[in-house]
Amino acid sequence: AQSVTQPDIHITVSEGASLELRCNYSYGATPYLFWYVQSPGQGLQLLLKYFSGDTLVQGIKGFEAEFKRSQSSFNLRKPSVHWSDAAEYFCAVGASGEYGNKLVFGAGTILRVKS
Amino acid sequence: GAGVSQSPRYKVAKRGQDVALRCDPISGHVSLFWYQQALGQGPEFLTYFQNEAQLDKSGLPSDRFFAERPEGSVSTLKIQRTQQEDSAVYLCASSLVLPMAFFGQGTRLTVV
Repeated sequence: AQSVTQPDIHITVSEGASLELRCNYSYGATPYLFWYVQSPGQGLQLLLKYFSGDTLVQGIKGFEAEFKRSQSSFNLRKPSVHWSDAAEYFCAVGASGEYGNKLVFGAGTILRVKS
Repeated sequence: GAGVSQSPRYKVAKRGQDVALRCDPISGHVSLFWYQQALGQGPEFLTYFQNEAQLDKSGLPSDRFFAERPEGSVSTLKIQRTQQEDSAVYLCASSLVLPMAFFGQGTRLTVV
């Protein structure tokens, strides 16, 4: 079965510092991978996705993520965090075909930004 | 519409009451999903439609949960005889290219 692990429940970084949020997945085929962000009381906004090709993908708001098949990881990075980045971040693996058609999410990482 | 629209945004139900949650997907999106997000958790899959056909309902937690999409556009998630454990945010998502999905803002259901 598909699963996603986000090892860090909370992360606090200073404004302007770099950020890396960790994500590990388990999936029986080539994965489709996503990062979503959720602000309080809001739905999920797609930050970026990996389907195939270049393993370093760029997203919105200056975020990027790198797919490492050997480590089953898809970590999210940002070189300089802004106070408005404070939110909860979810990594997800997308199943398709015989694995069903759905997203399987991790438990999320809450990002706090201190000034 | 420009995005996935859900209504109501907030719903308070007395235990045992029936509720209906509405989802209006992005125009032209064939696929529609419902997810349940408990407090402090990631969203969990409930059910999936392709047009009007419900192809996967493996995530529905009990037979009190029922979803429909009769004309292949708007969908309704119905919960009968609500229980406290049904309190959660219910997220609807639609998709043109599986498995990527775009989410609505959710309906927060509180059962008292």
